[in-house]
Amino acid sequence: QVQLVQSGAEVKKPGASVRTSCRASGYSFTTYFVHWVRQAPGQGLEWVGMINTSDGGTNYSQKFLGRVTMTKDTSTSTVYMELSSLRSEDTALYYCVREAPGGTHDYWGQGTLVTVSS
Amino acid sequence: QTVVTQEPSLTVSPGGTVTLTCASSTGSVTSCSYPNWFQQKPGQAPRALIYNTNSKHSWTPARFSGSLLGGKPALTLSGVQPEDEADYYCLLYCGSAWVFGGGTKLTVL
Repeated sequence: QVQLVQSGAEVKKPGASVRTSCRASGYSFTTYFVHWVRQAPGQGLEWVGMINTSDGGTNYSQKFLGRVTMTKDTSTSTVYMELSSLRSEDTALYYCVREAPGGTHDYWGQGTLVTVSS
Repeated sequence: QTVVTQEPSLTVSPGGTVTLTCASSTGSVTSCSYPNWFQQKPGQAPRALIYNTNSKHSWTPARFSGSLLGGKPALTLSGVQPEDEADYYCLLYCGSAWVFGGGTKLTVL
């Protein structure tokens, strides 16, 4: 069955960077894009960006340009998201999401809580 | 950047019908595409319900349907059940970016 398993919670200080992972299983990894979506406590969903798992191409939300980097490791079917220059407003649950052909975002990871606090 | 607006909250009686909409600041749906709808319950990850305006996933209950209403993507729940109480989000592809709506909190009362 399709699964996206994310890494554990992180606590970081302002100004630091965080790298979180998303391991895919149960399907052909390079056939589907992977997106990252975040949700601040009590707030709605926010698109961060996506990576083409076939060629590594990326598309980031303008809001995160210059601070976010998404990479992949095809040998382990894992996608990574690094967010730098963290501030308290980056405290959120970060989800990875699979995009199937046709634009459907069908499977979601369980989320990684990133807390930014001094 | 495109802003996507949803009704902040709606209330429906059990067995009733309710329609949620998704409006982009650019105007009609032709500026944005691939409408998706998600359901999120407290403490859970979002669950995909509808994609490409009106296509359902294998797990989507039959009472959920997607459409265009006056050019805006819409999600209709017919025969609402108590377990449908949740937050609902739409997602649109606008230009080269994906944009979520602010979400609709649906109360079943």
